[in-house]
Amino acid sequence: DAGITQSPRHKVTETGTPVTLRCHQTENHRYMYWYRQDPGHGLRLIHYSYGVKDTDKGEVSDGYSVSRSKTEDFLLTLESATSSQTSVYFCAISDMGRTNTEAFFGQGTRLTVV
Amino acid sequence: AQKITQTQPGMFVQEKEAVTLDCTYDTSDQSYGLFWYKQPSSGEMIFLIYQGSYDEQNATEGRYSLNFQKARKSANLVISASQLGDSAMYFCANEKGYSTLTFGKGTMLLVSP
Repeated sequence: DAGITQSPRHKVTETGTPVTLRCHQTENHRYMYWYRQDPGHGLRLIHYSYGVKDTDKGEVSDGYSVSRSKTEDFLLTLESATSSQTSVYFCAISDMGRTNTEAFFGQGTRLTVV
Repeated sequence: AQKITQTQPGMFVQEKEAVTLDCTYDTSDQSYGLFWYKQPSSGEMIFLIYQGSYDEQNATEGRYSLNFQKARKSANLVISASQLGDSAMYFCANEKGYSTLTFGKGTMLLVSP
């Protein structure tokens, strides 16, 4: 299994509070991603990183920011959490350039905003 | 914009039978990749199979094969000899730049004894 750790695994927070989710990898993969999963929507890309300090927006980036100061860590921040951000968040990594370039996913973080 | 369509919200199959999960994609890219992932009730995302747009043969991985019809823009997953452990949600996804993925909404597969 790819070495990806998401923390926390579960979190309940109040509307308006800041929240940071962490993704840590031990695979030295260059590319990292944050997706959210909601019923009826599959997984949707929030932000991704193609190198240290290199990030870009995905399909559903509003209300989220990211940072990557080291290869192994990719942080997702909700500056002011809203109920619409209640979701399951998945981090993924990829080693683009290999044969299949498949993304490996973390275990997910279930975030509830009340 | 990339789009993945999975028209089957749920599928039922008996153990040991084969099942096909449908996926159509919409892309204007000449080079692209298609993936299938499995998500069991425990929640993790498990990579199953990959098909590149220039691959001449359909991809196979054990009991999984991908029926790739480029002209029809379809990439259906075929699971042969279904097992109880195959009960899960299955997602088709299209790869874009930097290996970002656009997912379909998924198909829930239930395998009965």
